[in-house]
Amino acid sequence: EIVLTQSPGTLSLSPGERATLSCRASQSVSSSYLAWYQQKPGQAPRLLIYGASSRATGIPDRFSGSGSGTDFTLTISRLEPEDFAVYYCQQSGISPYSFGQGTKLEIK
Amino acid sequence: QVQLVQSGTEVKKPGSSVKVSCKASGGTFSNSAITWVRQAPGQGLEWMGGLIPIFGTTDYAQKFQGRVTITTDESTSTAYMELSSLRSEDTAIYYCAGGSYRHPDSWGQGTLVTVSS
Repeated sequence: EIVLTQSPGTLSLSPGERATLSCRASQSVSSSYLAWYQQKPGQAPRLLIYGASSRATGIPDRFSGSGSGTDFTLTISRLEPEDFAVYYCQQSGISPYSFGQGTKLEIK
Repeated sequence: QVQLVQSGTEVKKPGSSVKVSCKASGGTFSNSAITWVRQAPGQGLEWMGGLIPIFGTTDYAQKFQGRVTITTDESTSTAYMELSSLRSEDTAIYYCAGGSYRHPDSWGQGTLVTVSS
């Protein structure tokens, strides 16, 4: 099973700042099969990025994804108040399609 | 984009089974895969398995092999996830998700399943 490790566990930033979230895989993941989700309290996850760098429908362009192999990054260029949430990466290259443990993005 | 509506909260005894439904509107499962993900209280997301109706194939996480069954009823555009031999550690919110099998973009609202004696 591929283990995804996200860092940091918690990221404290202010609106307007840039956020950089990391996802490291225990073995190489095809870029086609790396996705990022956002989850707010009491809500279902929301797909942000798929294929490592493609934005899902309706996702603002301040969200961007990059990376390959075992290291992937989600960047939020300028934080808006609604961006403070928990973010998960997921690989869907090899079953089981594991998730990272999440990064909580909180307001500083 | 398909909309997914799940069945309501369940309270179950240890050892019993639960069957959660997920009804699609604005689309059908014949063109959409279905995935089930769960989230224990205060914890992260856990992929349980999925089904690709057009191929009729299912894939389950080994952790749940033998205990979980994912099915669909095309006539009612409803998917089901049944989990048996429930234990307290199965207490969680269960989500269905549809669209792409590898990166689902439509999610149900979640169903809380509580396992307690």
